[in-house]
Amino acid sequence: AQSVTQLGSHVSVSEGALVLLRCNYSSSVPPYLFWYVQYPNQGLQLLLKYTTGATLVKGINGFEAEFKKSETSFHLTKPSAHMSDAAEYFCAVSVRFTGNQFYFGTGTSLTVIP
Amino acid sequence: SAVISQKPSRDICQRGTSLTIQCQVDSQVTMMFWYRQQPGQSLTLIATANQGSEATYESGFVIDKFPISRPNLTFSTLTVSNMSPEDSSIYLCSVLGTVRSTGELFFGEGSRLTVL
Repeated sequence: AQSVTQLGSHVSVSEGALVLLRCNYSSSVPPYLFWYVQYPNQGLQLLLKYTTGATLVKGINGFEAEFKKSETSFHLTKPSAHMSDAAEYFCAVSVRFTGNQFYFGTGTSLTVIP
Repeated sequence: SAVISQKPSRDICQRGTSLTIQCQVDSQVTMMFWYRQQPGQSLTLIATANQGSEATYESGFVIDKFPISRPNLTFSTLTVSNMSPEDSSIYLCSVLGTVRSTGELFFGEGSRLTVL
């Protein structure tokens, strides 16, 4: 069975500070891993994804995430937070070879303090 | 990528009425998905809509409450029937990427439904 755990439903950082949003997953088969962002009153937008290959993946808006199989983690980071990063972030896992069953975490709301 | 348009973007409805949400995709896709996002919560899959066959519903969701149509490869509708305040949610249409697909989902802007 697959599942996703996002530690911290709310995270606050100062503008310019490091952003770290945590995601751990459980999967019995090699997973695809995703981070989505949801701005207020909008749908979900793909930030980045891990499928195969390099474990450090870069996404849009300066975000990156590292797949650590030994830790079953896929934490999202950004070196310097910007006010426009304030949003809801969702980690998701899908099962390889089927690709159509997604499991979403409960989301982390990021607040950026000026 | 896929561009997905949903209508209405938001609506306020009375208890006991029904609302149909439309989802239009700018390319042909095999599978379309309907999700519900209740206030402050994550996404829950309602059903998978396949063209030419009945939708496949997840546990806890039934066709009488959430009838789905999928008349072609670019369009789907979700109806929320006999609404109650507990149905107040964001309803999201999504599709799998189709170009060199590695399985990412693309989402519409969502339909924000408030039931009074």
